[in-house]
Amino acid sequence: EAQVTQNPRYLITVTGKKLTVTCSQNMNHEYMSWYRQDPGLGLRQIYYSMNVEVTDKGDVPEGYKVSRKEKRNFPLILESPSPNQTSLYFCASTQEGFNEQFFGPGTRLTVL
Amino acid sequence: DAKTTQPPSMDCAEGRAANLPCNHSTISGNEYVYWYRQIHSQGPQYIIHGLKNNETNEMASLIITEDRKSSTLILPHATLRDTAVYYCIVRLGGIQGAQKLVFGQGTRLTINP
Repeated sequence: EAQVTQNPRYLITVTGKKLTVTCSQNMNHEYMSWYRQDPGLGLRQIYYSMNVEVTDKGDVPEGYKVSRKEKRNFPLILESPSPNQTSLYFCASTQEGFNEQFFGPGTRLTVL
Repeated sequence: DAKTTQPPSMDCAEGRAANLPCNHSTISGNEYVYWYRQIHSQGPQYIIHGLKNNETNEMASLIITEDRKSSTLILPHATLRDTAVYYCIVRLGGIQGAQKLVFGQGTRLTINP
């Protein structure tokens, strides 16, 4: 089944404790991206990647890092999480043509 | 990307057609209209997109006005499972538009039994 998977789905952590949210897609898509969703603010793009080793900042990249060493994986790294990064995070991917984006199920992160 | 305006909420009776409007008066000639929906807090789901011609797929129809300043997403026979937030997004197609997908507040559609 074609899908985007994210792990973990739920995470509660404390300020300053490094964490990684994984994202993987099995559709051989070139383009992947990360969004965060907060009440009243909609979805905002954090980072995106056009292909392996090609990444760029979205609208709200501060406090986040990404890497794209393999085509299928696009992990989101929070080196020192803070409470304002408490949010619902979505990973997405799309194929050449860049029309339909496929979203993962989301990761709900709480930083205490 | 052009800004879009959608009503914050709408109701529709089950089995009836749901017509969701979207205004995008500043759309440029090479920008497409995309629709996504989000059920509860699940990942957004692509519905349909178009440039200037009306489009139809198994989920919905997209009607774009001749001046392209507004569009309407039509769910022909709404079911309870269509209750969701619907997002209208305007952006460049292809690789140029891939860098950013800007979601506004969307329309919260409630299908009533």
